[in-house]
Amino acid sequence: SQQGEEDPQALSIQEGENATMNCSYKTSINNLQWYRQNSGRGLVHLILIRSNEREKHSGRLRVTLDTSKKSSSLLITASRAADTASYFCATDASGSQGNLIFGKGTKLSVKP
Amino acid sequence: DGGITQSPKYLFRKEGQNVTLSCEQNLNHDAMYWYRQDPGQGLRLIYYSQIVNDFQKGDIAEGYSVSREKKESFPLTVTSAQKNPTAFYLCASSQGQKGEKLFFGSGTQLSVL
Repeated sequence: SQQGEEDPQALSIQEGENATMNCSYKTSINNLQWYRQNSGRGLVHLILIRSNEREKHSGRLRVTLDTSKKSSSLLITASRAADTASYFCATDASGSQGNLIFGKGTKLSVKP
Repeated sequence: DGGITQSPKYLFRKEGQNVTLSCEQNLNHDAMYWYRQDPGQGLRLIYYSQIVNDFQKGDIAEGYSVSREKKESFPLTVTSAQKNPTAFYLCASSQGQKGEKLFFGSGTQLSVL
C-alpha cells in the first residue's frame, strides 16, 4: 500500500535555483523521512522529522511537516548538478512496528 | 569500512529456477529489510526482520522467502512461484526496530532469461 506520494513526479531546474518537492500521506505517522537515490544505486538517508516537529534543517536541506494537512516538503537551496537524483519520502505509520512505506519519488534534474 | 553489501550486482534467472540474493551488514544493526523497486515506482516491502530468527511479511511477500540465522545476514530467495521477478532489489538495515534512518545496499538487478 502506497502511503506517501511525492509531487511533482519530475522537476528540472538550473544550477543555483531552489528545488521544492512535496509529499502527502494518508494516515497518522510517528515520523517522516526523506531519502535520495542516484540512478541505479541504493537510497541514502537525508533527514528525519518527527510528528511533533514542524521544521528541520540540514545543510542546504529544509524539511517542513504539516500533520494537519498530512504533508511534508523538502527544499534544496542553491542546487548543484550533483543534486540530480530521485528523492523519496517514507512514512512510519503509527503502530506499524518500523515498517516504512515509500512514495514513488520526485526525479530532480539540475542543469549546469 | 562499515556498510551493507549486496551481491551479485546483476543476476539472471531461468524460468522455474530459484535464485538467492545476498545481503550482509557489518553495522551491528538489529533490523534488516528487503525492498523491490520497479521502474518509475517507489519501493515496496517484501520482508523485514527485527531480530535474529524472526521475520515478517511485507506487502508483496508472495513468491519470496528469507532467513535470518545470523544478525549480519538476511538472504532473499526469489522462488519459481514469483512470476514477474524482473526488478531492482534493495536490502537495508537500521539500528533498533523503529525503521528510522535506513542504510541501503547498492542493489541487485534481477532479470529473467
